[in-house]
Amino acid sequence: DTAVSQTPKYLVTQMGNDKSIKCEQNLGHDTMYWYKQDSKKFLKIMFSYNNKELIINETVPNRFSPKSPDKAHLNLHINSLELGDSAVYFCASSQMVGETQYFGPGTRLLVL
Amino acid sequence: AQTVTQSQPEMSVQEAETVTLSCTYDTSESDYYLFWYKQPPSRQMILVIRQEAYKQQNATENRFSVNFQKAAKSFSLKISDSQLGDAAMYFCAYRSAITGANSKLTFGKGITLSVRP
Repeated sequence: DTAVSQTPKYLVTQMGNDKSIKCEQNLGHDTMYWYKQDSKKFLKIMFSYNNKELIINETVPNRFSPKSPDKAHLNLHINSLELGDSAVYFCASSQMVGETQYFGPGTRLLVL
Repeated sequence: AQTVTQSQPEMSVQEAETVTLSCTYDTSESDYYLFWYKQPPSRQMILVIRQEAYKQQNATENRFSVNFQKAAKSFSLKISDSQLGDAAMYFCAYRSAITGANSKLTFGKGITLSVRP
């Protein structure tokens, strides 16, 4: 059974398009995260939701909008994609009071 | 703000030998968690080991162990009996024990480990 899943795994799109990445976890966790891994492999937090409430919103362009319909899902919508958005996006989940975060397989986004 | 430093970008080890990956961090907090994650070419982020700052005993997981030096703010990972499957990028990460907005992981830049057969 997949613990944290993301769709799609690969996404190739043109500049200016709008795209979404979906994340689901079946671990019963109450907190979910989005991280971005850039071309130099550096990982940085973007957003976090706890029980559908936004608790972390790092310095991310407002073209990025997370949405959490329920505590098992956290989606990432990106408007007006730019070349610099090309990266691997990881979803992760944990219990709020638990310290260990479990990661999804990542979504490689390539903006042409 | 907390920072995590992995100063060695690459390391190499002979199969069956032991290797130590270094990590230092900076924080003003007294309670926190430290992690090592492995990222193989498949890009999956795999938890290797974790350490609670309030525990003096170093964590171990099979061939993986840490040397946690709280006063020195050092958290190194030792891999014993290295195997070809250990070849990957390894990330050191910090998480505050304070929940909420501090629950994010702060990562180091990672180190690429290669294993020679």
